Parts: sequence; C-alpha cells; structure tokens
Amino acid sequence: GDSVTQMEGPVTLSEEAFLTINCTYTATGYPSLFWYVQYPGEGLQLLLKATKADDKGSNKGFEATYRKETTSFHLEKGSVQVSDSAVYFCALSLKAAGNKLTFGGGTRVLVKP
Amino acid sequence: EPEVTQTPSHQVTQMGQEVILRCVPISNHLYFYWYRQILGQKVEFLVSFYNNEISEKSEIFDDQFSVERPDGSNFTLKIRSTKLEDSAMYFCASSGDAYEQYFGPGTRLTVT
Repeated sequence: GDSVTQMEGPVTLSEEAFLTINCTYTATGYPSLFWYVQYPGEGLQLLLKATKADDKGSNKGFEATYRKETTSFHLEKGSVQVSDSAVYFCALSLKAAGNKLTFGGGTRVLVKP
Repeated sequence: EPEVTQTPSHQVTQMGQEVILRCVPISNHLYFYWYRQILGQKVEFLVSFYNNEISEKSEIFDDQFSVERPDGSNFTLKIRSTKLEDSAMYFCASSGDAYEQYFGPGTRLTVT
C-alpha cells in the first residue's frame, strides 16, 4: 500500500542552523505531497505542498521539492528559529484513494537558542 | 482566517460508553475527514465524507464508528461502545477542493 517514511527525531539544532528532514514515499499512483507542522498543544497546520514532479513548495522559509525519480520530498530551511520547534509530518494523497492523507511518523524538531 | 474547531478538547469516558466528538468545518468546505493519532504513533485516516455520505473509510472504521452531518455546520464522529484502544487524539479536517485539508486542534479521548 501507499506509505511515507521520514527520518526519526528528535532533531536538535541551534538557532540559525540549517534544517533538513528527509521524506520518501511509496505510492501506486501519482500522489500530491504535503508537509504539515504541529506546534506544541495545537493541531496540524499545512506548511507547504506540491502536486507534480519538480514542483517546489515553499512557506515561512521552508522549502521542499517533489522528486519523482527518487520518490522524495525533503523539507529544508536555511536558518531555523526557536519558534520552528515543532513536529513535522510528511504526507501524501492520491485522487484514486479519495484524497485521504497518508502520513509519515513525524519528526520532532527542537531549536535551542 | 476561517478555521476548523473541535469540541471538547479533552473527553474522558469509561470503557463501553458512547462518545460523540464534534467538529465545525470551515463554512464553505464540502469534504470532511476524521483522523486519529494514538500516542507515539502515526496519524491515521479513519473516514471521509462528501455529499452527505461516506466516500471512503479505513479498516479501523468498523461498526462501532459512525459519522454524521446533522445540520449545515457540524460534523460528528460517534463511537458506540468505547474500548481502551480507542484512546487517541482525534482530528477533524475539512477541504474545499478535496486537495488541501485543514485540520482542527483535535480532541483527546481517554478511555478508562
């Protein structure tokens, strides 16, 4: 079945460091890809998305590029802030599967001042 | 900015009791979803709902679960006879285009 694998955390960084969270997927069709973020005590917020190969999603300084050849959608940010401390979830959806989201396990990121 | 709301934020119930979790989706959205996250595990899809009927459900969504849109604004998830393993965070989501889903803050269900 369809699945998403992302690097396990926690990832601990200093402020202004470079962040990468790896995400790879397995899908029977051509999925749309998403990154969601969950701040402490809050729900899931859509961070960015991409619908086709080579699309780059970006928001709040975060970027991810849809790589069909490597079935990946890695999340990056050039200079993290303490406020970026959260759990990040990679997800996919397929129109043929009713657009339900299939999530990775989440990666907790802790940014220290 | 419109948002999805859920009530209650935390529900404690005894095993075997019925619970109803409530969600108010974004007002012009047409697609509705429930997901759950057992502590320490992945967020899992439960059910999707469109045009007043279930469009897809997972194997988790057995006969103990039901969903309803009783009026023009609420979307509910009912668990008829709760089990200990139903303890989880339950998230409601809605979408206007079946593509971008917007999530509520979740209801933490604790079954004792």
